[in-house]
Amino acid sequence: TQLLEQSPQFLSIQEGENLTVYCNSSSVFSSLQWYRQEPGEGPVLLVTVVTGGEVKKLKRLTFQFGDARKDSSLHITAAQPGDTGLYLCAGTHFPNNAGNMLTFGGGTRLMVKP
Amino acid sequence: KAGVTQTPRYLIKTRGQQVTLSCSPISGHRSVSWYQQTPGQGLQFLFEYFSETQRNKGNFPGRFSGRQFSNSRSEMNVSTLELGDSALYLCASRRTGTLSSYEQYFGPGTRLTVT
Repeated sequence: TQLLEQSPQFLSIQEGENLTVYCNSSSVFSSLQWYRQEPGEGPVLLVTVVTGGEVKKLKRLTFQFGDARKDSSLHITAAQPGDTGLYLCAGTHFPNNAGNMLTFGGGTRLMVKP
Repeated sequence: KAGVTQTPRYLIKTRGQQVTLSCSPISGHRSVSWYQQTPGQGLQFLFEYFSETQRNKGNFPGRFSGRQFSNSRSEMNVSTLELGDSALYLCASRRTGTLSSYEQYFGPGTRLTVT
């Protein structure tokens, strides 16, 4: 069983602070996605990383895929209350027409206080 | 382009009953996956369908089943409901055969409560 360990589980910070969320595994993934989910809604895809060492930026969010494609991190600069939500990492193996599935981390619940 | 739609959004059932949930993928997406989300177990993969065939199955009992139609719409069925089946059931679709086929897009989910 491939597991994705996400840390921390909970994070409560003040507006303007920086934070990093980690996603670690002993398995190699062909790609890794980060999602954000709000209560009562489905996860919304933020980014996909596929190359070891890849770094992607989305405004104040920076995503990194580890060189060995076993881990990833999400860094948020100058967090805002609108960033509040559940952040999920999910890994995939061999995406092709033969089938694919997402293995999810346990999630990081972020609260940004004004 | 319309996103993934799921119906119904909320459902209350009694133990022992069965339930059918529906999912319409994004236009052009031929793969549909189903996930169960609970506070204790998080998001867990149920199964994936592509071209009306089940391609992958997660570690769930046979009471959980699904199917896909020729228009890529999918349904999942849970028979003999148990209290532990209470969860948010999420459907996700993806485009296959392209570089972006890693990416899965989720619907809003169906909140199932079993009493």
